[in-house]
This record gives sequence, structure tokens and C-alpha cells, in this order.
Amino acid sequence: DIQMTQSPSSLSASVGDRVTITCRTSQSIDSHLNWYQQKPGKAPRLLIYDASSLQSGVPSRFSGGGSGTDFTLTISSLQPEDFATYFCQHSHSTPYSFGQGTKLEIK
Amino acid sequence: EVQLVQSGAEVKKPGESLKISCKDSGNRFSNSWIGWVRQMPGKGLEWMGMIYTGDSEIRYSPSFQGHVTISADKSLNIAYLHWSSLKASDTAMYYCARQWPSNIVGGFFDIWGQGTMVIVSS
Repeated sequence: DIQMTQSPSSLSASVGDRVTITCRTSQSIDSHLNWYQQKPGKAPRLLIYDASSLQSGVPSRFSGGGSGTDFTLTISSLQPEDFATYFCQHSHSTPYSFGQGTKLEIK
Repeated sequence: EVQLVQSGAEVKKPGESLKISCKDSGNRFSNSWIGWVRQMPGKGLEWMGMIYTGDSEIRYSPSFQGHVTISADKSLNIAYLHWSSLKASDTAMYYCARQWPSNIVGGFFDIWGQGTMVIVSS
């Protein structure tokens, strides 16, 4: 099974900051990496698929990069509504798995 | 438009059985992978498994195989998650989600249900 290592587990930042979250996999997954945002009490929401493709309706300040084993999610200029928890997920082979999550908090 | 509507919250005792559901109200259930994700209180997301509604092929996570059963009724556009004997450690929020595209590799969960809270307590 493919293991996911997401970092950091938590992050404090201010509105307007640029932040980057990383996700590393235990073996190459090509570009089969997705990113989700989850707010308290809500279902996750897809942000990025195939490592770098922006899901319809997601603001362009979100971007994804990487391939193979190392991936990033970047928010170029944090907005108040971006404070949430973010998860990576691979879909290279079953069982799929999620990263441990990154909780993004207001500084 | 595909929308996934899950059944309501459940409170059960250890050892009891339970089946929760996920209905596609958009009538595009056919030939889709529907996955189940667990989120224990205050914790992260765990991929449990998924079913292809076209031919009922099922893929389980080894962590959940043998403890839950995933099924679907294509005629009713409903997917199910079933426990024959619940444990206190099954207390969690359970989400269903549609994987798109319908490939076993490279898909993503683009549509999610609202979640079903399951509480198991004596």
C-alpha cells in the first residue's frame, strides 16, 4: 500500500500570506494526487485533481504541483474563507489513502 | 446533476447491525465508482472502499475489509455501507463520494454526500 506523508500538520498564517503544503508518497504515483479542503462540520471539497488541475469553481489562488512522489498545494494570497483543513489523496492504485491533514489557522 | 444524499444519523449499541445509504438524486448513478470515507471525531479522512455501480465490482481497504460490506442497488440509485456487528470504535462520520472519471486509476472524489454520523455506545 502507498503511504502518504503530509506536512505541516498545522500552520498559522495571516490574510494575504502565501502558504504551501506538501505531500510525499512512499512510491511514485505519477500525477494521481488530489487535494481537498474541509471546513468544520462540512464534507470535504475537491480543490485540485491530477496534481495540478483546478476543479471548476475553485479560486485561482489555489494551485497544485509536483509529480512522482512529491507534491505541493499553494495558496497564493490567503483569504479569510481559506482557513480550514487540507488533505491530499492519491488515486494511483487501491487502496487509495489520504494524508494526515494540515490545519490552517489564523495567526 | 449528481447529488448524493445520505441517510440520517444513527445511535446503536455494540454488536448491533447497521446499514447506511447514499442516494444519487441526480439519476446519474450508472457506471460510477461510489466510495466511502470514514472520519473519526477530530481525526482525518480514511478511504474505506468503493463500488462500481456498473458491474458491482468492489475494492476494499485492507483496514476495513471483513468488518464492513459495501453494496449498491443500481435500480434505486443507492449505495450502502453495512456492519453486521458494530463496535464502539466505529463511532465516526461516514461520507460517500462519487469518483470521477470512472477509471480505477487517476480518479478523484468530485461530489460528496453530506455525511452520516454513527454513534456506537452501550
